[in-house]
Amino acid sequence: AQSVSQHNHHVILSEAASLELGCNYSYGGTVNLFWYVQYPGQHLQLLLKYFSGDPLVKGIKGFEAEFIKSKFSFNLRKPSVQWSDTAEYFCAVNAQDTGGFKTIFGAGTRLFVKA
Amino acid sequence: DGGITQSPKYLFRKEGQNVTLSCEQNLNHDAMYWYRQDPGQGLRLIYYSQIVNDFQKGDIAEGYSVSREKKESFPLTVTSAQKNPTAFYLCASVVRGGLTDTQYFGPGTRLTVL
Repeated sequence: AQSVSQHNHHVILSEAASLELGCNYSYGGTVNLFWYVQYPGQHLQLLLKYFSGDPLVKGIKGFEAEFIKSKFSFNLRKPSVQWSDTAEYFCAVNAQDTGGFKTIFGAGTRLFVKA
Repeated sequence: DGGITQSPKYLFRKEGQNVTLSCEQNLNHDAMYWYRQDPGQGLRLIYYSQIVNDFQKGDIAEGYSVSREKKESFPLTVTSAQKNPTAFYLCASVVRGGLTDTQYFGPGTRLTVL
């Protein structure tokens, strides 16, 4: 079955620390990969996405993610986090389904950045 | 303003009652989705619809029903058959429902069953 695994459910960092959130997916076909973010009190929104080409993609607010096909991974990184990065982060995969296409989400990682 | 609206923001229901959650979009998107968000479980797909008058069950469709009579509207009914309905419900839409499509989310409805 298709699935998306996020390695950490809760992460606590101090400002200026580096961030890496792990994401692995289980699907053998063509996929497109996303990271979504949900800031406190706000809508879930797109952070970055990978479709093809350069496996290192850059998103908003200094985030980047690297697609490693051989490892079925799409880890999210940021060199130096800020207090405003406190949010919940979801990795997601768009995959073909019998009824069309659907998005499969990971369980989410809650990031808390200490000022 | 273009976007997705969900109403109500908070909803309380007694056990045994059906309740309908509203989702409307003015983005002219073809596909719409309903998710349930529970702590530690991420978003789980309830139903989705690629076009008007057609919809597909997601991973946790039992106890839920939907309709898609208009392109802009995709209401979700939580029936009394849903054993654990208390949750946060998110509606989303995409342009076509294809592999490259980004999902746009509404603000959500928090349902509490008393």
